[in-house]
Amino acid sequence: AQTVTQSQPEMSVQEAETVTLSCTYDTSESDYYLFWYKQPPSRQMILVIRQEAYKQQNATENRFSVNFQKAAKSFSLKISDSQLGDAAMYFCAYRKPQRLYGGSQGNLIFGKGTKLSVKP
Amino acid sequence: DVKVTQSSRYLVKRTGEKVFLECVQDMDHENMFWYRQDPGLGLRLIYFSYDVKMKEKGDIPEGYSVSREKKERFSLILESASTNQTSMYLCASSFPGTTMNTEAFFGQGTRLTVV
Repeated sequence: AQTVTQSQPEMSVQEAETVTLSCTYDTSESDYYLFWYKQPPSRQMILVIRQEAYKQQNATENRFSVNFQKAAKSFSLKISDSQLGDAAMYFCAYRKPQRLYGGSQGNLIFGKGTKLSVKP
Repeated sequence: DVKVTQSSRYLVKRTGEKVFLECVQDMDHENMFWYRQDPGLGLRLIYFSYDVKMKEKGDIPEGYSVSREKKERFSLILESASTNQTSMYLCASSFPGTTMNTEAFFGQGTRLTVV
């Protein structure tokens, strides 16, 4: 079974600094998707960034980037120029490609989350 | 914008009551999910539906059932609420994961307290 591990329950960063959140996963699949989700105190989970396993290039979205190491099964999130609004729970998630009209492969498997605090 | 709406943000129910949590999405997504979120445990899948009337058990289905009679609506049912079902419940929806549109969209969550 696939598993996702986030080894840092809590992290802290100074405003304007850079922080990296770690995520490792276990799978025997070669084709899959990886995600980082953010859950602010308001609770709505929103997508931060996604990575397709077949793409070698690391995904970037403005101040957010990933370091995807497929062989090591590692998928870390780097937040540059941290802002107060980045304070949230961050969840790493894994998903297999799903067959059209079938199967439980469509669900996301989440890590336990990392609580990020940003100090002014 | 994709919208996933859960019927209640806060709910307080008594032990033994039958509880319905409703979720509606407006993007014609095939997939819908119910997750339970507890501190230190992350999100755990309760049930998953990939089409109308189709459902699959997730990791923690005991004590729960689901209903999907229409594509846009996915209901979670606690047949007889117990205190250990006090938790945050998150609904999500997505297209099938065969395309680039593989992300899941989440509702606001329902904080259920069973007393």
